[in-house]
Amino acid sequence: EPEVTQTPSHQVTQMGQEVILRCVPISNHLYFYWYRQILGQKVEFLVSFYNNEISEKSEIFDDQFSVERPDGSNFTLKIRSTKLEDSAMYFCASSRPGLAGTYTDTQYFGPGTRLTVL
Amino acid sequence: GQQVMQIPQYQHVQEGEDFTTYCNSSTTLSNIQWYKQRPGGHPVFLIQLVKSGEVKKQKRLTFQFGEAKKNSSLHITATQTTDVGTYFCAGLRGSSNTGKLIFGQGTTLQVKP
Repeated sequence: EPEVTQTPSHQVTQMGQEVILRCVPISNHLYFYWYRQILGQKVEFLVSFYNNEISEKSEIFDDQFSVERPDGSNFTLKIRSTKLEDSAMYFCASSRPGLAGTYTDTQYFGPGTRLTVL
Repeated sequence: GQQVMQIPQYQHVQEGEDFTTYCNSSTTLSNIQWYKQRPGGHPVFLIQLVKSGEVKKQKRLTFQFGEAKKNSSLHITATQTTDVGTYFCAGLRGSSNTGKLIFGQGTTLQVKP
């Protein structure tokens, strides 16, 4: 069964450094997402992406964050200058088009990247 | 903003007992998805409910979507130790065309053998 994959599984970085988290969505999916989960808390939406542009972003997704689909398979999340509070598990998800082109289909999550900012 | 509240936060049961988690949204949802997350794992999709009043079953798991499409529940009959994990509901708001899922806080289930 196709899966969303993410690399690396664990990233340790110094505060102020840039990090890029990588995701390979399921191949026939067209909608892509990033979520994060601080240890012991709920999953929080960061951004959704379709047709090479951001569809919606949360208040967490400030100017330090950016997403890109550099080629036909990868979907990346960049944090330009990491802060301590960026430490979390970052999940990528993808979905097929729902009915009538909506986003209502199931979102499949990758295994996550644990980001630790020191 | 839109919120999805989930209760209880924790539930400890004896193996064989039933378990229920409840999810309530402040706004009408177009659908609700349920996920299970094992410790150290990622959310794994369980089911999606779309229709008002919908009930779906997966073996010992029963999922319901309220008539007003603002609440949902997951009921597990005769829990087993393999049911241990955190169960999240995640709602897609009725006006959403961006796929933004709003997650509840999750219910962590512990099952004592």
